[in-house]
Amino acid sequence: AQSVTQLGSHVSVSEGALVLLRCNYSSSVPPYLFWYVQYPNQGLQLLLKYTTGATLVKGINGFEAEFKKSETSFHLTKPSAHMSDAAEYFCAVSEQNTDKLIFGTGTRLQVFP
Amino acid sequence: EPEVTQTPSHQVTQMGQEVILRCVPISNHLYFYWYRQILGQKVEFLVSFYNNEISEKSEIFDDQFSVERPDGSNFTLKIRSTKLEDSAMYFCASTLSGGSNTGELFFGEGSRLTVL
Repeated sequence: AQSVTQLGSHVSVSEGALVLLRCNYSSSVPPYLFWYVQYPNQGLQLLLKYTTGATLVKGINGFEAEFKKSETSFHLTKPSAHMSDAAEYFCAVSEQNTDKLIFGTGTRLQVFP
Repeated sequence: EPEVTQTPSHQVTQMGQEVILRCVPISNHLYFYWYRQILGQKVEFLVSFYNNEISEKSEIFDDQFSVERPDGSNFTLKIRSTKLEDSAMYFCASTLSGGSNTGELFFGEGSRLTVL
């Protein structure tokens, strides 16, 4: 069965600092991987996704994530945090030809001035 | 920009009552989903819906739950007799192309259900 683990329910960084949100997955087949963001009082929004091809994927707002099969990881990074990045971030996994996403528990990112 | 809208944003109900959560997906989307998130837990898949029928459902989606698209725009989730453990945030999502792994899912803001 597929699962997703997000280490750290809360992450705090200073503005301008590196953002690193961790995600590990388990899947018996090559997975599709996603990061979604939820800003306060809004729905989940797709940040980026990995399906096939290049393992480093770039998303919106300067975020990127790297699929590392050997580590079963898909960590989300951003070189320099901005105050507007404060939100809840969800990692998700899906198998090919299925219709559902398996989400992690989410990581709340706080950015301090 | 087109968006998925959900109503109500928050509903409080007594245990055993029926609840209907409503969603208006993006107008040209064909695939519709309900997910839920119990406080402090993971976002969980409930059901997917395409061509006026359920295409996939989870173990959570038992006989107490039902979905329908009563007209060309609304997509509803009904809980027939609510239980305390149904208290959660319910998210509706839609996508143009099939399979949550091929098309981007667009999520609504969620409907918070509190069962007392």
